[in-house]
Amino acid sequence: QSALTQPPSASGSLGQSVTISCTGTSSDVGKYNYVSWYQQHPGKAPKLMIYAVSMRPSGVPVRFSGSKSGNTASLTVSGLQAEDEADYYCSSYSASRNLVFGGGTKLTVL
Amino acid sequence: EEQLVESGGDLVKPGGSLRLSCVASGFTFSNVWMSWVRQAPGKRLEWVGRIQGKSDGGAAENPAPVKGRFSISRDDSHNTLYLQMNNLKIDDTGVYYCAAEGYPYGFHSMGVWGQGTTVTVSS
Repeated sequence: QSALTQPPSASGSLGQSVTISCTGTSSDVGKYNYVSWYQQHPGKAPKLMIYAVSMRPSGVPVRFSGSKSGNTASLTVSGLQAEDEADYYCSSYSASRNLVFGGGTKLTVL
Repeated sequence: EEQLVESGGDLVKPGGSLRLSCVASGFTFSNVWMSWVRQAPGKRLEWVGRIQGKSDGGAAENPAPVKGRFSISRDDSHNTLYLQMNNLKIDDTGVYYCAAEGYPYGFHSMGVWGQGTTVTVSS
């Protein structure tokens, strides 16, 4: 199963915005609105931040938002906080019924 | 509070077998689709399979990299999910998480995760 493509790293200063991309194919990201984003701090389990492309679970700050265009989904973090520094993974349902994850992006808050 | 607790991780030799368990609490386990996700040291998350909830038929499926070696089952009477891993390879080393798929949020998103259990395959 091929992984979705994410940039290995991203960074932004406190209070600024950063966008992380997640590129798939017409068989996964482009075909379904089942794109999710997860935040993972070192040594911890992943935490769901966005589901169904742009929906926020209860308790996730409104500064986290998601979108999709064609085969590419994006996660935007506005008003960066120190606690946002973590690894972020996208995932998508695929036509093969598999769940496929991205390679992960390490977000650094400067 | 919804909770998942994995156990069973261990050091095993290549070609060996291991069964992981995941006990759920705080939600109606039997109707929830459950997945296993693993993470090799310093690597990305990788989905290794799911089992449907009872009301959807309870079918299990695995992706190609582990098909035929890994199997997923559930005991709804004990709110427990299992991952049976056979013919283990060094590349199977990592932290294994169980997660509730499609619960409590949208389809194919994982809103509840366990803390993970570590599997090490080494001679």
